[in-house]
Amino acid sequence: DTEVTQTPKHLVMGMTNKKSLKCEQHMGHRAMYWYKQKAKKPPELMFVYSYEKLSINESVPSRFSPECPNSSLLNLHLHALQPEDSALYLCASSHSKRDLYNEQFFGPGTRLTVL
Amino acid sequence: AQSVSQHNHHVILSEAASLELGCNYSYGGTVNLFWYVQYPGQHLQLLLKYFSGDPLVKGIKGFEAEFIKSKFSFNLRKPSVQWSDTAEYFCAVAGYSTLTFGKGTMLLVSP
Repeated sequence: DTEVTQTPKHLVMGMTNKKSLKCEQHMGHRAMYWYKQKAKKPPELMFVYSYEKLSINESVPSRFSPECPNSSLLNLHLHALQPEDSALYLCASSHSKRDLYNEQFFGPGTRLTVL
Repeated sequence: AQSVSQHNHHVILSEAASLELGCNYSYGGTVNLFWYVQYPGQHLQLLLKYFSGDPLVKGIKGFEAEFIKSKFSFNLRKPSVQWSDTAEYFCAVAGYSTLTFGKGTMLLVSP
């Protein structure tokens, strides 16, 4: 299985809602990532988990809260988002954070719209 | 810190034309280099990658890229593009633990 899956595919939420994005991989990868991608822009790194521990937080606002319950699963909890947070949220995984051959495998993304 | 520069933001070609997209990177250590493609409405897909060895790398769908260390470049090429190659192309460099993307090049191929 060389796939990274993400659910849901689409999400519409209000600014007062609480929702979660889910990412799963069964490739035995020990590093997992959240990216945010706005239209016509490259993905921007948000968080990196390495061996289920948060290792990089790229100054992301606290209304985004990541969680890594186990080595296969990565969640992104959303609360009190703003309309400018509307974007495609991508999950990725790789063998390890510091692996010389650090190829990241991307999921299809969750397209989030904040009203 | 690493950085990536893609020379063209938009490229328009006719079918059967040859393609070369420029990518320059900046990083002091050993780099891994990638080209990703994102078709309209779809997710990122890996076109090809360079880790070591032969600097001419062949990828999927007839794409290839050449790593020129002295020029810090990793340009993407395809001898004859098709309409279905219309997409956004991202060059990326993996250095110390993170993957840095270029701003992307939108390729439009007209039939």
